[in-house]
Amino acid sequence: KAGVTQTPRYLIKTRGQQVTLSCSPISGHRSVSWYQQTPGQGLQFLFEYFSETQRNKGNFPGRFSGRQFSNSRSEMNVSTLELGDSALYLCASSRGGAGGPYNEQFFGPGTRLTVL
Amino acid sequence: AQKVTQAQTEISVVEKEDVTLDCVYETRDTTYYLFWYKQPPSGELVFLIRRNSFDEQNEISGRYSWNFQKSTSSFNFTITASQVVDSAVYFCALSEAPQLGAGNNRKLIWGLGTSLAVNP
Repeated sequence: KAGVTQTPRYLIKTRGQQVTLSCSPISGHRSVSWYQQTPGQGLQFLFEYFSETQRNKGNFPGRFSGRQFSNSRSEMNVSTLELGDSALYLCASSRGGAGGPYNEQFFGPGTRLTVL
Repeated sequence: AQKVTQAQTEISVVEKEDVTLDCVYETRDTTYYLFWYKQPPSGELVFLIRRNSFDEQNEISGRYSWNFQKSTSSFNFTITASQVVDSAVYFCALSEAPQLGAGNNRKLIWGLGTSLAVNP
């Protein structure tokens, strides 16, 4: 079974630009969660999607948005990039359903975003 | 407020030593889940264990063992006879039960991680 894939793996952008990151979950998994990982703040939850609906949201500004497609693939978008958005963005998939974050989550390798 | 504290930022041991990674959590709920994840240098987080708040039995899986103590709100992780391949960052996380009427408003709350270096 293929694992969670994220594209691109590395990205360099400048302030003010926008970026779209993509995540393909494990086949059969319907829940996709996104996390931002930085050395200072650790892992912070961005949002979770289940069956194309945002089911849960962390405390990030509206510049961070996401969506999920009918095949469970998910994208997240960050608009008007700031230097502080430089981070590793991790996607995790799980079976979903009522389990939510209780379920074991399988993580992708992440997208390393650098904002200059 | 919900919080997970991993007081040890970095630990360095010599191969074959035993090492314990501490995790202390805060929550108001009586129903919750605790997790440990491993993040090797490759970056991908790997699930190690999930424990619910009603199951205080300690668990052993090979060289790994976990000690859950509700009385001290701790969920510590011990690696016995450590190996170089155990070198990674280890994260403890907490997931709370949903609040009535709040839909599925649940999320994982993570500690900042403990970086473990096992030297040959």
